[in-house]
Order: sequence, then structure tokens, then C-alpha cells
Amino acid sequence: QVQLVQSGAEVKKPGASVRVSCKASGYSFTAYDIIWVRQAPGQGLEWMGWMNPDSTNTGYGQKFRGRVTMTRDTSITTAYMELSYLSSDDTAVYFCARAVRNDLLPDNWGQGTLVTVSS
Amino acid sequence: EIVLTQSPGTLSLSPGERATLSCRASQSMSRNYLAWYQQKPGQAPRLLVFATSNRATGIPDRFSGSGSGTDFTLTVSRLEPEDFAVYYCQISGGTPRTFGQGTRLEIK
Repeated sequence: QVQLVQSGAEVKKPGASVRVSCKASGYSFTAYDIIWVRQAPGQGLEWMGWMNPDSTNTGYGQKFRGRVTMTRDTSITTAYMELSYLSSDDTAVYFCARAVRNDLLPDNWGQGTLVTVSS
Repeated sequence: EIVLTQSPGTLSLSPGERATLSCRASQSMSRNYLAWYQQKPGQAPRLLVFATSNRATGIPDRFSGSGSGTDFTLTVSRLEPEDFAVYYCQISGGTPRTFGQGTRLEIK
């Protein structure tokens, strides 16, 4: 069955970077896109961007451009989201999801990774 | 940039009742690019409806979407206990793929 398993919770200091991984299994990794969405505590959903694991093309939300990088390692069917220059506003649960190519509608999600930014 | 505003913020209803959730766009948008999600506490969101009125795989037919232009609606015809959750609309095409702020559907 399709599974997306994310890396564990992280605690980072302001100004640092964090890399969250998303290990995919149960399907052809390069046939679907990966999207990233985050959710601050008690808040709504925020779109971060997408990556095509086949072409490595990416599209980032304007708010995150210059701070986010989405990559992948096809040998281990894992996608990564790295966010730099962290501030307390980046404290959130970060979700990855598999999405149908071109329309980016998610059909399977990871369990979420809590990133806490605190001095 | 299109902004999505959902109303009401909280909707209190009883099982068996009908729920009507609204999503208003700040400017007219394509029906092809409006999606709805459900999220329960501690869980990832789940896609319910895409392209305004198409149910995602496995979504019960008590969920239906409608609308056009700037006004979109998600209707749950007869609420089941498992339907009480937070619902988000989203611009699902172009950029940015903004979410609305959500409507909490709670048990009355």
C-alpha cells in the first residue's frame, strides 16, 4: 500500500535550517509529485510548494521562495524539504503528500513532522 | 492574489442534520480550481472534493460541492458522527495554492 513516512520531530534555534524527509513506498516514486503543506499550532493549512521527483522541477509558494528547497533521492525514494533562516513563526507541523502530476491534488499524506523553533 | 474567506468560522449542528459551508473568493475563479479538504485533530488533511463538485476517491456521496465565480459551497447532506472536523477550501490550480482559514464543524 502507498505509504509516506516522515522524519521525527525537530527542535531548532532561530536562524538555523531544518530538513524534513518523506520516505515513499508502495508506488512508483517518480510517477507522482510531492507537495508540502504546513500547519502552525492551532492554525490553518499553508501551502509551501511541490516537486516533481522525476524531473526535479519545483514550484514554491511566494512566501517561502529563497528559504525553501525541495529535493529528492530516487535511490531511496525519499523527498526532502529544507527550510532555512528559521524563526519562531516557522514552528509548525510539516506534511508531505503524494499528488497526481500536473493537478497537484494530494491522495496520500505523511504523518506530519513537528518542527519547533525556539531559543 | 486570490484570497479565500470561509464562513462560518464555527458551525454547530447535530448528527443527521445538513451542513452548508461557504467559501468566497476575492475575485472570480475557475470552477476547475476549487478543492475542499477535511481535517480531524492530529491527522493530515484529506481531499474531499476537487474541481468544485467532483468527489475524491472513497468519499461518501453525502458530501457534495457546488458553486462558481466567487461563491463555492460544500454540503454534507446528513451529518455522521465522523464528519465533525475542520474543513478547508483551497485554490487548487495556478499559484499560489492558497487555503481558506477553515470552518470548524462541531457537534451541537
